[in-house]
Amino acid sequence: AQSVAQPEDQVNVAEGNPLTVKCTYSVSGNPYLFWYVQYPNRGLQFLLKYITGDNLVKGSYGFEAEFNKSQTSFHLKKPSALVSDSALYFCAVRDRTGGSYIPTFGRGTSLIVHP
Amino acid sequence: NAGVTQTPKFQVLKTGQSMTLQCAQDMNHNSMYWYRQDPGMGLRLIYYSASEGTTDKGEVPNGYNVSRLNKREFSLRLESAAPSQTSVYFCASSETGGPRETQYFGPGTRLLVL
Repeated sequence: AQSVAQPEDQVNVAEGNPLTVKCTYSVSGNPYLFWYVQYPNRGLQFLLKYITGDNLVKGSYGFEAEFNKSQTSFHLKKPSALVSDSALYFCAVRDRTGGSYIPTFGRGTSLIVHP
Repeated sequence: NAGVTQTPKFQVLKTGQSMTLQCAQDMNHNSMYWYRQDPGMGLRLIYYSASEGTTDKGEVPNGYNVSRLNKREFSLRLESAAPSQTSVYFCASSETGGPRETQYFGPGTRLLVL
């Protein structure tokens, strides 16, 4: 079985400050991990993914995420937040060794960046 | 290259009415998906299709039917709409298997059932 948790419904950060959106996962084997972003009244857009290799993954719009196998985490980070980063962020996981290729999505974290 | 398109963008139905949500992708993807998004619930998978001619139930299939018309199109039908089906519906597509599984989402259909 696979599952993903986003422990914060909302994250507030001031513009220019670093931001972190948390994600933890559970899989039987090794994971594929994804982050997506949803702007108001839009569909989800792919940000970045971890497949294998380097634990630090860089994605679109200056975002990055660090895969930590021991803590089963894949937190999304950005060194300096912009007001335009305000959106809903979803983490997703797929067990690479499972029979299904369907990912499981977290419930989403609303990021609010204050001017 | 339009990506994933959905029609309609918005729909109001009365309880018991039926409707079909249309989805098409032009990326030659094998897999297509239907999700619903409700506040505080995240994305929940309704149905998916691994390839043309195959469909499978997801987490919340009750009250819905799907048709994979061809490789490009995947429609979602509500035979008898209920207020509990008020939601935002997203279609997505992806390659199947391995690192290419990034999903591409349509803009969504907002459905209100009165």
